[in-house]
Amino acid sequence: RKEVEQDPGPFNVPEGATVAFNCTYSNSASQSFFWYRQDCRKEPKLLMSVYSSGNEDGRFTAQLNRASQYISLLIRDSKLSDSATYLCVVNAAGANNLFFGTGTRLTVIP
Amino acid sequence: GAVVSQHPSWVICKSGTSVKIECRSLDFQATTMFWYRQFPKQSLMLMATSNEGSKATYEQGVEKDKFLINHASLTLSTLTVTSAHPEDSSFYICSARALGSGRDKNIQYFGAGTRLSVL
Repeated sequence: RKEVEQDPGPFNVPEGATVAFNCTYSNSASQSFFWYRQDCRKEPKLLMSVYSSGNEDGRFTAQLNRASQYISLLIRDSKLSDSATYLCVVNAAGANNLFFGTGTRLTVIP
Repeated sequence: GAVVSQHPSWVICKSGTSVKIECRSLDFQATTMFWYRQFPKQSLMLMATSNEGSKATYEQGVEKDKFLINHASLTLSTLTVTSAHPEDSSFYICSARALGSGRDKNIQYFGAGTRLSVL
């Protein structure tokens, strides 16, 4: 079983739509969770950390459900500039390295 | 956020040559840096963890004699792809872990990546 699994999409949504991405992780001892954004042929950039209490940054809301080992990202009022691949990232329990999901591709259509 | 510089951004070389990629943390010290490889439409795959002042830790299946890693200072790690072959063509990305605390301690900041094409 993969450490991190995500729906690869693609998700094609109109401008202004709300879209949600989901991710599951296999190691219950994982402690840190992130959403990164990766544009085509570019490096991943940190979008937001995911906390147990949930966190919101503008149009972006991240949630963590430890019991279900499930992470989500909600994007409201989608913009064209939101088009990218969104990577669910989980740290390796007891280690420094991170595990990346395969990414969910989002395209926001005018 | 923290800044990580990676150089060069693009390399085209002949088969059999060696290629050196540099990764620098510009505004923070990084005792640990990471090297990833990403093939088209695939996820990032960790190749090795680079530890300042000690040997790198390689992931299973990654040849340490082919991918030489040196982390001589707290701000610089290098990856050398020795005797590169066409199958080594890929997008190589480094990252550095800033010394955060608590729930942000595992945040990694990425370099812009190096696209290697071996002819």
